[in-house]
Amino acid sequence: GESVGLHLPTLSVQEGDNSIINCAYSNSASDYFIWYKQESGKGPQFIIDIRSNMDKRQGQRVTVLLNKTVKHLSLQIAATQPGDSAVYFCAEIPYNQGGKLIFGQGTELSVKP
Amino acid sequence: NAGVMQNPRHLVRRRGQEARLRCSPMKGHSHVYWYRQLPEEGLKFMVYLQKENIIDESGMPKERFSAEFPKEGPSILRIQQVVRGDSAAYFCASSPQAYNEQFFGPGTRLTVL
Repeated sequence: GESVGLHLPTLSVQEGDNSIINCAYSNSASDYFIWYKQESGKGPQFIIDIRSNMDKRQGQRVTVLLNKTVKHLSLQIAATQPGDSAVYFCAEIPYNQGGKLIFGQGTELSVKP
Repeated sequence: NAGVMQNPRHLVRRRGQEARLRCSPMKGHSHVYWYRQLPEEGLKFMVYLQKENIIDESGMPKERFSAEFPKEGPSILRIQQVVRGDSAAYFCASSPQAYNEQFFGPGTRLTVL
């Protein structure tokens, strides 16, 4: 079964607000995590990643937080824009499973102008 | 540097026919992963290949499905005697090494009539 899941299937935010998308994972052997963005009809697009020896990583307008104690991952998007509207997936790579990604179900982010 | 390429982008087959999906990884990438996405669902791992070798096929159905990544040419995912339940988007991803960021192609949308 799935070892990665998302708390909310949909999230609606106002343009300019910050967005927080959450993810829970159950495989304590996972040591690499990636957030992907998928727009309708397209393939997943890499947003940001984090390894298990870190608890926070920042990119341009995005921050990923990792809490290994409670097996929780979050993606924060600052100043959310209409172009951020998409489905967001977290994915994990357990260190002992050959490098394959295990995806959660996804959260659909809708940005209201 | 061209991204991951997949073709065809859309494929329509009748039940019982064969479907061949092609994936050209990014230049310099020797690791290829295939994932399947059913409507309104996340991506599910199917198979992981490294030039001429299948590393992990734990996510691939035992019958009708096969994959290869020859020394020359693209990776091929082959589905024999397709059934309606095979209708899905099939994504290919590549990476320069295992346990690394995976870059996705645009996908092939297979429809079985």
